[in-house]
Amino acid sequence: AQKVTQAQTEISVVEKEDVTLDCVYETRDTTYYLFWYKQPPSGELVFLIRRNSFDEQNEISGRYSWNFQKSTSSFNFTITASQVVDSAVYFCALSEWGNQAGTALIFGKGTTLSVSS
Amino acid sequence: DTEVTQTPKHLVMGMTNKKSLKCEQHMGHRAMYWYKQKAKKPPELMFVYSYEKLSINESVPSRFSPECPNSSLLNLHLHALQPEDSALYLCASSPHDRDRNTEAFFGQGTRLTVV
Repeated sequence: AQKVTQAQTEISVVEKEDVTLDCVYETRDTTYYLFWYKQPPSGELVFLIRRNSFDEQNEISGRYSWNFQKSTSSFNFTITASQVVDSAVYFCALSEWGNQAGTALIFGKGTTLSVSS
Repeated sequence: DTEVTQTPKHLVMGMTNKKSLKCEQHMGHRAMYWYKQKAKKPPELMFVYSYEKLSINESVPSRFSPECPNSSLLNLHLHALQPEDSALYLCASSPHDRDRNTEAFFGQGTRLTVV
């Protein structure tokens, strides 16, 4: 069965600290897609990063980076030099190739990140 | 235009009311979604429309009735709701092209309160 686990419920850091959000997933599909979304108090889900199952290259985009390891079914997300505006709920999500349509997402329970000044 | 627009932003309705939530996108996306999000919980998929046809219904009660009048619009008709249906309802869209994986774009949601 497909499942996304975010073991960290809440994380609190001080500005400029680096923070890593953990995500572990389960799927029977060999082709799948992994995402990180940010949800500020306003409610809108903001797309951050996407990774395909067949591309394990890890990248850095500005202050964001991610570490995708198929061997451990993990897709961790790091914010470098955190800022107060990074405070939000962060969701890891999975979409399977076998889905009937588009990008129907299975979300983890979310990690609430609080960055203080 | 990379925006998904949802109206209204807030809605309070009684259990005997009939109301509708609206969602609009002009990105040419052919897959549209309704998600329900309870407080401090992740979004849960309710419905998926693919090329204006309902392709996934995640066993949602019939008091929620989706409609896709055209490729840009998605409605969610509400009737005889219960207080436990109070939640944030999120609409999303994405290209329906399996050769070009992409993210889903979300609207800001409608905060629904059933009294």
